[in-house]
Amino acid sequence: GNSVTQMEGPVTLSEEAFLTINCTYTATGYPSLFWYVQYPGEGLQLLLKATKADDKGSNKGFEATYRKETTSFHLEKGSVQVSDSAVYFCALRLNTNAGKSTFGDGTTLTVKP
Amino acid sequence: EAGVAQSPRYKIIEKRQSVAFWCNPISGHATLYWYQQILGQGPKLLIQFQNNGVVDDSQLPKDRFSAERLKGVDSTLKIQPAKLEDSAVYLCASSPTDARYGYTFGSGTRLTVV
Repeated sequence: GNSVTQMEGPVTLSEEAFLTINCTYTATGYPSLFWYVQYPGEGLQLLLKATKADDKGSNKGFEATYRKETTSFHLEKGSVQVSDSAVYFCALRLNTNAGKSTFGDGTTLTVKP
Repeated sequence: EAGVAQSPRYKIIEKRQSVAFWCNPISGHATLYWYQQILGQGPKLLIQFQNNGVVDDSQLPKDRFSAERLKGVDSTLKIQPAKLEDSAVYLCASSPTDARYGYTFGSGTRLTVV
């Protein structure tokens, strides 16, 4: 079956620190990969995506590279801000099964001033 | 473009009562999803529609939950009767069918069953 495993949280960093949130996946086929962010009291928002191997998705200073050989899609940011405090979800989506997504359990990030 | 609209934002009901949630997806998105998100967990798929047909409802507790998508646009999710463990945020999302596109989520409805 399909699954997504994320680094367990919570993660607490100081402002301007480097962020990595690990994500690995298992899929039958060639998925597209996504990171979503959820701010308190809100729904999930698409942060970035990559649709094929070696693609790099980027948005708002965050980056993730689709690594087929290691089945990974780790999220990175060089210098986090307090406003980046949120829950981050890694997800995969396949063209089969009508494009249903599989989500990880989420990683809570808290950035302190 | 307009986002996914959901209502109400909050709802408090007593156990054994019924409740309904409404979702208006992004225009042109063929696929609509209802997710249940319990505090501290990832979203759990309840039901997936493609146009007005059900694609996957394997995780929907059909003895108490029902959902419909009229004319392939708006959707409603109903719980009857509610249990304490149904307290959660109910998220609606829509997307194009192509898996290269991500989902657009609504803000969710926070349900508290007392």
